[in-house]
Formats: sequence, structure tokens, C-alpha cells
Amino acid sequence: AQSVTQLDSQVPVFEEAPVELRCNYSSSVSVYLFWYVQYPNQGLQLLLKYLSGSTLVKGINGFEAEFNKSQTSFHLRKPSVHISDTAEYFCAVSPNFGNEKLTFGTGTRLTIIP
Amino acid sequence: EAGVAQSPRYKIIEKRQSVAFWCNPISGHATLYWYQQILGQGPKLLIQFQNNGVVDDSQLPKDRFSAERLKGVDSTLKIQPAKLEDSAVYLCASSSDRYEQYFGPGTRLTVT
Repeated sequence: AQSVTQLDSQVPVFEEAPVELRCNYSSSVSVYLFWYVQYPNQGLQLLLKYLSGSTLVKGINGFEAEFNKSQTSFHLRKPSVHISDTAEYFCAVSPNFGNEKLTFGTGTRLTIIP
Repeated sequence: EAGVAQSPRYKIIEKRQSVAFWCNPISGHATLYWYQQILGQGPKLLIQFQNNGVVDDSQLPKDRFSAERLKGVDSTLKIQPAKLEDSAVYLCASSSDRYEQYFGPGTRLTVT
């Protein structure tokens, strides 16, 4: 079984400042890792994913994440945030074989301060 | 390409009533998922279909929840009878491979 921990439930950041949203996971098998974003009153949208290869993954809207196997982490970063980045961000994992069941973290609400 | 469609978007019912949600996945997507997202939590998988067969329903409360995907296209999730703790957003997602799921806008259910 897999589990995901997002320790920060809320992160306020000033506009144009950098941000890091933390994600740690636990799994007894190799996993794929994902970040999804949920804008108000909308469904989830895939930001980026790590399947294999380079541990630095670039996604949409200027976001990137780094897979660290030794620390079992997959933190999300953006060098300069915009008002439009205000949303809920979910980290998720799935085993890289068999059933592709996604296990989500509890989410981090990113609030951009003008 | 049309996205995942869900209806209704909002529903308010009293406890012990019944409710049904509908989902139409992206055309050609063989896999369909229903998730429950309780306020302040991440989505939790309720049931996964591959075409019209169930792949995983281990977290579906089968005494009150049921789901079907006739003809391997659209799907219906039903709750009968509803409890207060069923208040949540019900998300439908579909995929054509294991690398990305596409989510609908969700149905917000309030049980009073």
C-alpha cells in the first residue's frame, strides 16, 4: 500500500516570490508520482508526473518537481508565482505495475498575496 | 476534445434519501474512476472500471453505494440511503493509459 503526506495544509506566498510545496510518500514498491492542481469549483488537472529517468520534472504553468528516492520526496516548486496560481495542489502516487490506483495526499492550499 | 462530463453539479438531499450521479468519460477512454473528496481531504478512489468490468471497488461502501458502467461508456454512481457523512464532492475521471487521469468538474453533494 502507498501513502502520501503533505505537511503544509496552507501556504501563503507573495506574488512573484518563489514557492515550494512539500510532498513525502511511503511505498513498499516502486511508484509513479504526480502533482495535480484543483482550481476553485473545477476538477483536478495534471501539473506534472514522474515515471522514470531524470529526477527533475517540468510541468505546465512554470512548475517543476524533483524526485528524491532516498528521502522519498517529490516537492513542487515555482520560481515566481502569480495570482492565477491560487489553487489547491495534490500530490499523488501509484504503483508502477499492476493496478494504477492513485493515492492522494490531503492537499496544500496555495494563496497568492498581491 | 470534450472533457469528462458530470451531472448534476450540485445536489442537496436529506439523510436516508437516494441520489444518483452521472458521468460521461472522454471518448475512447477505457478506464473510468469514481472518487469521493471530503472537505479538507484528498480524493479517495471508490471504484474503478475497465470498460464495463470492475477492477477495484475495495473502498466502496457496498451496503449503500452502487455503480455501473453499462456498455463501457458512461457511468452512474448511486447512494441509497444517504448519510450525513456522505456529504462530499464526487469526482469522475477517465484515462486511456496509466499515466494520466482526466477529471470532471465533480458533483457537490450536501446531505442534511
